[in-house]
Amino acid sequence: NAGVMQNPRHLVRRRGQEARLRCSPMKGHSHVYWYRQLPEEGLKFMVYLQKENIIDESGMPKERFSAEFPKEGPSILRIQQVVRGDSAAYFCASSSTGGTEAFFGQGTRLTVV
Amino acid sequence: KNEVEQSPQNLTAQEGEFITINCSYSVGISALHWLQQHPGGGIVSLFMLSSGKKKHGRLIATINIQEKHSSLHITASHPRDSAVYICAVIRNAGGTSYGKLTFGQGTILTVHP
Repeated sequence: NAGVMQNPRHLVRRRGQEARLRCSPMKGHSHVYWYRQLPEEGLKFMVYLQKENIIDESGMPKERFSAEFPKEGPSILRIQQVVRGDSAAYFCASSSTGGTEAFFGQGTRLTVV
Repeated sequence: KNEVEQSPQNLTAQEGEFITINCSYSVGISALHWLQQHPGGGIVSLFMLSSGKKKHGRLIATINIQEKHSSLHITASHPRDSAVYICAVIRNAGGTSYGKLTFGQGTILTVHP
């Protein structure tokens, strides 16, 4: 039973490009959370999604960031027109019920050059 | 002031020592996680607590809901325990809660042989 899969593990983008980060939850899980870990800072919540619905996006920057979790396929965190300040580790976690359990992926390390 | 505070921020120990990491929080919660993150690695939930005490191998986690405090203990520490340990809570907001985590800043543990 595969765990939460994130890809790519490492992503390098030039300023102004788009970054797409993917998260495949554990089998049977329909709830996904995205978190960001900026250098020298703690983890911060970004967005919570269920299949085809955004439930809580209170941690998402107002511009350039979007997230989706379609009926089929992985959840996608999309960052348009990346800037150096977007360089961070992005983690997703999944759960089966949206409750208190949390299974994390290995993260995607985004570097903007 | 952060809603979740950990101490110490950095901890150095000799192999075999007993280690305690503390976590205090200022909000009502439905659960608390202790997470482990190795450098450049993913995040693993070691424990999820809503009351009392849990033990897994050399790791023990306790929580006192009335005092809003939790501790993570490592007995007979080993160099492979070197990692960042993060306390994270699930806030109980108006009787509803889902798995959105609020994190402490983390404790960097280094165990020397």
